Amino acid sequence: DAGVIQSPRHEVTEMGQEVTLRCKPISGHNSLFWYRQTMMRGLELLIYFNNNVPIDDSGMPEDRFSAKMPNASFSTLKIQPSEPRDSAVYFCASSLQRGGFQETQYFGPGTRLLVL
Amino acid sequence: AQTVTQSQPEMSVQEAETVTLSCTYDTSESNYYLFWYKQPPSRQMILVIRQEAYKQQNATENRFSVNFQKAAKSFSLKISDSQLGDTAMYFCAFGTGGGADGLTFGKGTHLIIQP
Repeated sequence: DAGVIQSPRHEVTEMGQEVTLRCKPISGHNSLFWYRQTMMRGLELLIYFNNNVPIDDSGMPEDRFSAKMPNASFSTLKIQPSEPRDSAVYFCASSLQRGGFQETQYFGPGTRLLVL
Repeated sequence: AQTVTQSQPEMSVQEAETVTLSCTYDTSESNYYLFWYKQPPSRQMILVIRQEAYKQQNATENRFSVNFQKAAKSFSLKISDSQLGDTAMYFCAFGTGGGADGLTFGKGTHLIIQP
């Protein structure tokens, strides 16, 4: 299995630009999660999807952030406009939810974003 | 809301020694899951071990084992015969039961294995 795939692995952009991060979950998984990691705040959940439907986006910092999952094999996290405080590592994770159990989440390699 | 606390920002041990990383959590949930993830310098998040709260037996995975004390809300990770490749950040994480849900992570412990 290829694991969770994220692109790009590194992104450097200027303040005010639009940034799009992409994620391909593990085939067959039906839950997808976006996390952000910073030195100050650690690992934070931004949003998660179940069967392509957003379930909880309470972690999305503000309206500049949006996430979509148009199908079971693709998700995007968009920041528009980007700001220097958005600089972080963004992780995508996926899991297979079966019934009422918390299944293990498998993480992608992350996207390191630097906003100048 | 759940909280996860890792009180050891950094630990250093000699190769082949045994080391224990601490984690405490706070929750009002009765059905939940606990995880330890490893993050080496590559930044990849790798699952080390998981524990279901309803199981009394402590989980083990080769050199890695946990000491799960449900009443004390404690979930420590023991690494036996530590190896240089164990050098990494280790994160304790909490997940609620009842289906897929986001994880709540601790701040992490930076473990350094000295040769």
